[in-house]
Amino acid sequence: DQQVKQNSPSLSVQEGRISILNCDYTNSMFDYFLWYKKYPAEGPTFLISISSIKDKNEDGRFTVFLNKSAKHLSLHIVPSQPGDSAVYFCAARNSGYALNFGKGTSLLVTP
Amino acid sequence: SQTIHQWPATLVQPVGSPLSLECTVEGTSNPNLYWYRQAAGRGLQLLFYSIGIDQISSEVPQNLSASRPQDRQFILSSKKLLLSDSGFYLCAWTLGPGNSPLHFGNGTRLTVT
Repeated sequence: DQQVKQNSPSLSVQEGRISILNCDYTNSMFDYFLWYKKYPAEGPTFLISISSIKDKNEDGRFTVFLNKSAKHLSLHIVPSQPGDSAVYFCAARNSGYALNFGKGTSLLVTP
Repeated sequence: SQTIHQWPATLVQPVGSPLSLECTVEGTSNPNLYWYRQAAGRGLQLLFYSIGIDQISSEVPQNLSASRPQDRQFILSSKKLLLSDSGFYLCAWTLGPGNSPLHFGNGTRLTVT
């Protein structure tokens, strides 16, 4: 039962443009959401998070938006850089100890 | 600062052989510890988590087991590996169930032949 869904397995964006990665969830009890970035043969690296009491959180080039009514969150990367090319995982927690992850979206930023 | 170590980085094992993957965390005490697996073309699946010594929860019934012999050590084991156990195994830690992210190790690539 996939409670966190990333429906786009891949995304290609030109350098300097905006990258938008989307994530949907089904469990309304989730109250903490995170984005991770993963390079091949490495562990995921924490990128940015948002609590359910907020609808936006910004950190440099990265902004996460949360729409609770739609059970949807997105990660915006502006401007995109070639080094941003990686797999991005969306994750969510429901006040417990573990994170539920999506299947990931592979982002390719082309020069 | 806190660091997490996983070893080995890669492992090739025949079907039916045992498995032992180790994970240790430094620079913190009483962390919550986790084992995740990423199978080919799939997301990150939670296998086990532990909020303390001798407190281990299994999320997915399977061929694997976990133990926590020390506060900052988490071990993933199997008595007899199956082909389906191949994947990328990740250990992670966090402090408390609140709004704190998981921090992952660099993973172990396991290939069962």
